[in-house]
Amino acid sequence: EVQLVESGGGLVQPGRSLKLSCLASGFTFSNYGMNWIRQAPGKGLEWVASISSSSSYIYYADTVKGRFTISRDNAKNTLYLQMTSLRSEDTALYYCARRAPYYFDYWGQGVMVTVSS
Amino acid sequence: QITLTQQAESLWVSPGEKVSITCRASQSLLYTDGKHYLSWYQQRPGQTTKALIYHASIRTDGVPTRFIGSGSGTEFTLSIEDVQPEDIALYYCLQTLKKPYTFGAGTKLELK
Repeated sequence: EVQLVESGGGLVQPGRSLKLSCLASGFTFSNYGMNWIRQAPGKGLEWVASISSSSSYIYYADTVKGRFTISRDNAKNTLYLQMTSLRSEDTALYYCARRAPYYFDYWGQGVMVTVSS
Repeated sequence: QITLTQQAESLWVSPGEKVSITCRASQSLLYTDGKHYLSWYQQRPGQTTKALIYHASIRTDGVPTRFIGSGSGTEFTLSIEDVQPEDIALYYCLQTLKKPYTFGAGTKLELK
């Protein structure tokens, strides 16, 4: 069974950093591209970043470019999102999702990030 | 970037009825391979987001046949025939033709 479990969220002050993790199981992690998607409270979904299976291709939404870094460790079956210079508008539930090409076939439950002083 | 418009924020439906959710793209989602890069997702409280349809009309594994995706170019529809109580959820469309990938604003299906 495919499982994606996010962790690392919490309350953080504006300007600080936080690193999210997504532990994958039930499939060969190194064969799939992965994505981070977020959802602000009461709002819709926003794609944040994507990374190819071998980390060769990485893309970001303009809203996070230069502040967030997506990475992966295929040996640990884990996807990461390093978030720096956090802003109140980054407050959201962050999901990791597997890309199976051209759509996102499995999603995690999400981890909450709250940016507030 | 490509904008996806889901006109209806909410739709009210009774069990057994048919409902259609539309998604309009600001440009064609047809790629040179002849496929449309439009997918549909369902969000229910307490459950992981579920992929329902990809390439505009292909159901993902295990999705009931009452979920039907249709459309082409810039206009797409997710139809649910014989709505069941468990179909009450939020529905989003997503384009993966060009980055940044973009979602529609979502349509909430509610019981009459």
